[in-house]
Amino acid sequence: QQPVQSPQAVILREGEDAVINCSSSKALYSVHWYRQKHGEAPVFLMILLKGGEQKGHEKISASFNEKKQQSSLYLTASQLSYSGTYFCGTGASVMDSSYKLIFGSGTRLLVRP
Amino acid sequence: DAGVIQSPRHEVTEMGQEVTLRCKPISGHNSLFWYRQTMMRGLELLIYFNNNVPIDDSGMPEDRFSAKMPNASFSTLKIQPSEPRDSAVYFCASSFGQSNQPQHFGDGTRLSIL
Repeated sequence: QQPVQSPQAVILREGEDAVINCSSSKALYSVHWYRQKHGEAPVFLMILLKGGEQKGHEKISASFNEKKQQSSLYLTASQLSYSGTYFCGTGASVMDSSYKLIFGSGTRLLVRP
Repeated sequence: DAGVIQSPRHEVTEMGQEVTLRCKPISGHNSLFWYRQTMMRGLELLIYFNNNVPIDDSGMPEDRFSAKMPNASFSTLKIQPSEPRDSAVYFCASSFGQSNQPQHFGDGTRLSIL
């Protein structure tokens, strides 16, 4: 079942912060975050595994709340280069050596000067 | 290092024609995924392979779609016959196939069926 992302879209001024949420109705084993710029392929940002980890990538960090079946992506002091569509992908381990991701519908982020 | 390589980058063809999309995964990756992206349906997983074996094809829309992975370095997604509603961007991705490993996407094939 597809995870639900919110908000669907957000517009920021350069330097402002934003939070993107990803919620699932199923138990989460892993959450992946990707960013896709217009006309390009999705690019990997980070992975969170169950256990409530918080990871960071430059000024972008994320948390994973296993109990709430939710992950949040935090963008601080946003830069123009952060503009794009952010997708979360939730992982269910189908077997020990493979897995598949179900992606949310995406959150469009536009950072203006 | 070379990333995931897809060909062709763009394909325009007429309804009813056979379309074959190709993908070369990153060397050493043992999982390969085919996705379709449209404005209406977002990023959908069509099928994925682990160690060249199809694991889950529940996302393949209908019998007109088929995918193969004859060896670890090559996969194809075929549509026969093609229909206008198949127009989309098709991405191939590969990974080491565990939940703590990222998926690496190719640049995609933009398919237009007239």
